[in-house]
Amino acid sequence: EPEVTQTPSHQVTQMGQEVILRCVPISNHLYFYWYRQILGQKVEFLVSFYNNEISEKSEIFDDQFSVERPDGSNFTLKIRSTKLEDSAMYFCASRPNRLGQNTEAFFGQGTRLTVV
Amino acid sequence: AQKVTQAQTEISVVEKEDVTLDCVYETRDTTYYLFWYKQPPSGELVFLIRRNSFDEQNEISGRYSWNFQKSTSSFNFTITASQVVDSAVYFCVLNNAGNMLTFGGGTRLMVKP
Repeated sequence: EPEVTQTPSHQVTQMGQEVILRCVPISNHLYFYWYRQILGQKVEFLVSFYNNEISEKSEIFDDQFSVERPDGSNFTLKIRSTKLEDSAMYFCASRPNRLGQNTEAFFGQGTRLTVV
Repeated sequence: AQKVTQAQTEISVVEKEDVTLDCVYETRDTTYYLFWYKQPPSGELVFLIRRNSFDEQNEISGRYSWNFQKSTSSFNFTITASQVVDSAVYFCVLNNAGNMLTFGGGTRLMVKP
């Protein structure tokens, strides 16, 4: 069964360093997302991406964050200068089409980012 | 703005008991979709069920059933004959006319043997 794949599963980085979280969405999906979950808290929307551009972003997704689909398969989230409060589980998700066609989003296993 | 409220932060039951997880949502949109996701201790988010706003028929799928009441903006989820493997955090999720999923705060379900 197709699945969303995220790498690495766990990343430890020093405060101020840049990190890139990688995702391979399901191959025929068109919409891609990043969410994050600070330990023990709710899952928060960061950004959605369609047709090679951001379609929506939350207030969390400030200038320190960027997303890219550098080729036909990968979808990346970059944090330019990490802060301690960026420590969280980051989930990538994809769906085949927009709301209106009754589809769910498929989530990857997550990348646990720890900023020290 | 849209919002999802799961008033139960934690529920503990004994195996084989039925358990209902409550969800209340807010949205101004007339077309929207509701989902339940499960997050087991391993951390991944697993899709369970979905419902659209124009279909209030309640359904049963195996041990899972859901009760969608548009009049009260509720989308409750029931597990029948709970098992230890059902222990997880359960999220009610709203997808409105935009492209964003809004998660509730989650309900931690503990099923004891």
